[in-house]
Amino acid sequence: DIVMTQSPDSLAVSLGERATINCKSSQSVLYSSNNKNYLAWYQQKPGQPPRLLIYWASTRESGVPDRFSGSGSGTDFTLTISSLQAEDVAVYYCQQYYSTPFTFGPGTKVDIK
Amino acid sequence: EVQLVESGGGLVQPGGSLRLSCAASGFTLSSYWMSWVRQAPGKGLEWVANIKQDGSEKYYVDSVKGRFTISRDNANNSLYLQMNSLRAEDTAVYYCTRTWTQLWPPDYWGQGTLVTVSS
Repeated sequence: DIVMTQSPDSLAVSLGERATINCKSSQSVLYSSNNKNYLAWYQQKPGQPPRLLIYWASTRESGVPDRFSGSGSGTDFTLTISSLQAEDVAVYYCQQYYSTPFTFGPGTKVDIK
Repeated sequence: EVQLVESGGGLVQPGGSLRLSCAASGFTLSSYWMSWVRQAPGKGLEWVANIKQDGSEKYYVDSVKGRFTISRDNANNSLYLQMNSLRAEDTAVYYCTRTWTQLWPPDYWGQGTLVTVSS
């Protein structure tokens, strides 16, 4: 199974400042045949199901604000919130969908400083 | 509007069984892979199983193989998860999710149904 790790476990950022979350996979999730990284990011607020933010490592889902961006390739990925808003307080998860079981990272909690 | 509504959760004793259902609306169920993802109280997300559009392919996480069975009824717009030999560690909120293909992340999630395994 592919093991996903995230860092940090939590972070507190001032409103309007940048938040950066890292995700690492135990093996590459890049398919050479199509040059796509099978990596997604989700946001989960308390009492709600997760919401898909980013897929193919860097493609924003419809309706997701452009302050959210994803980058990286192979085994190392980053989710960046360019200017943190109050409504961005949540737990963020990365997930690989390269091979079953489609494993998730342990999550990173983002709060306001 | 796409909607996924889970039901069937509840309290069950260790070794017992439950059948979860997911009612899908707002899209053509037969066009999508579907999956179940669970989340233990206060914990992270765990992918459980998925099923191809016609039910011909099914995949499971090792911890539920042989105990859980995913199935679907496209005519009735429903997804199911039959859970047998339940253990305390199966206690979680179970989410029904939709994916375009097998190798695609879930784009819609239901609100979840809580399964509690306890004596």
